[in-house]
Amino acid sequence: QKEVEQDPGPLSVPEGAIVSLNCTYSNSAFQYFMWYRQYSRKGPELLMYTYSSGNKEDGRFTAQVDKSSKYISLFIRDSQPSDSATYLCAMSDGSSNTGKLIFGQGTTLQVKP
Amino acid sequence: SQTIHQWPATLVQPVGSPLSLECTVEGTSNPNLYWYRQAAGRGLQLLFYSVGIGQISSEVPQNLSASRPQDRQFILSSKKLLLSDSGFYLCAWSVTKKLFFGSGTQLSVL
Repeated sequence: QKEVEQDPGPLSVPEGAIVSLNCTYSNSAFQYFMWYRQYSRKGPELLMYTYSSGNKEDGRFTAQVDKSSKYISLFIRDSQPSDSATYLCAMSDGSSNTGKLIFGQGTTLQVKP
Repeated sequence: SQTIHQWPATLVQPVGSPLSLECTVEGTSNPNLYWYRQAAGRGLQLLFYSVGIGQISSEVPQNLSASRPQDRQFILSSKKLLLSDSGFYLCAWSVTKKLFFGSGTQLSVL
């Protein structure tokens, strides 16, 4: 079993839809959770950063962490064609000072105009 | 503000040729530095990380090596490239558990 599981998609939605992207994980020691957005042939860009459980909102993006279920989500409201990208979840237990992260495989999202 | 520079953006190399990819970080001191590889349809694989000058940790035994000759410079090398070395190579740096990536190098070994 992989430490982090992420549905690779692709996920196709119409413009304006609410998008839900999800990851499950097996290591209960994970405390730091991140979402990255990666456009084709570009480096991943840090989108959301959450420590421990709870919700965090930034504009149209909301990150949720449910540590009891070992499940994290990224919601995108009023999705735009510019949101079309691959979304990667990442997490760490924070036990080392190196900042090493465990990544999901990434979900490819296409928002159609 | 901190910025990370990675070059070249695209590289096509024949099998058996050497490789040198360079990455530099500006606006921070003593960063942790990383090399990741992303193969087509696969996730990010950590290759090397460094917590200081001359300090390199290898995550995956392979045909590649890394060096950190200066505080904000990280180099990925190979003496002889294999077909399996093809992929998207990303340099990254971290601070307070957050990881920031460069723009990547698409390497094709033919």
